[in-house]
Amino acid sequence: QKEVEQNSGPLSVPEGAIASLNCTYSDRGSQSFFWYRQYSGKSPELIMFIYSNGDKEDGRFTAQLNKASQYVSLLIRDSQPSDSATYLCAVREVTGGGNKLTFGTGTQLKVEL
Amino acid sequence: EAQVTQNPRYLITVTGKKLTVTCSQNMNHEYMSWYRQDPGLGLRQIYYSMNVEVTDKGDVPEGYKVSRKEKRNFPLILESPSPNQTSLYFCASSKERGEEIGEQFFGPGTRLTVL
Repeated sequence: QKEVEQNSGPLSVPEGAIASLNCTYSDRGSQSFFWYRQYSGKSPELIMFIYSNGDKEDGRFTAQLNKASQYVSLLIRDSQPSDSATYLCAVREVTGGGNKLTFGTGTQLKVEL
Repeated sequence: EAQVTQNPRYLITVTGKKLTVTCSQNMNHEYMSWYRQDPGLGLRQIYYSMNVEVTDKGDVPEGYKVSRKEKRNFPLILESPSPNQTSLYFCASSKERGEEIGEQFFGPGTRLTVL
């Protein structure tokens, strides 16, 4: 069973600070990595994806991937109260039947005023 | 507007009464999937479909059926629902090619309670 691990939190950060969310995965064959944000009672929405080792920046968000360590992270700069949500890490693997996404259980982020 | 729709949004039913949750997407996506979300367990894949007439089991397929007769629709069928199927269900779709498989669009969710 392929696994994607996240700390459930809650992770509390003050407004304006950097929030750092982490994710580890067990399958070395994993090819693509995704971060979804989910507000309470709502559906997940994609915020970032990364395929190659290193950093990828999009506005206040930076995804970091280290395939050797099987580790992917999401940094949120200048955190805002509206960033308070659960962040889901997802990993894509190619199986015999095709592509498959495996999700972590999510990290709850609370941005405090 | 590009979207994934699910119906019903909320459903309370009784054990053993067959039900279907519909899912439809208007983005011409090849890939569609059903997930259930439970506290502490995250999103778990039930079934997925790579294209019309092509379906495969996810991680928790027991007690569920799906069909993919048209590209836009992917209904989830519970032939004999049980209380342990009480959950929040999401349908999702994406393009099938390459990395885009992970850029999934989710429906609004169906909250199912089985008494």
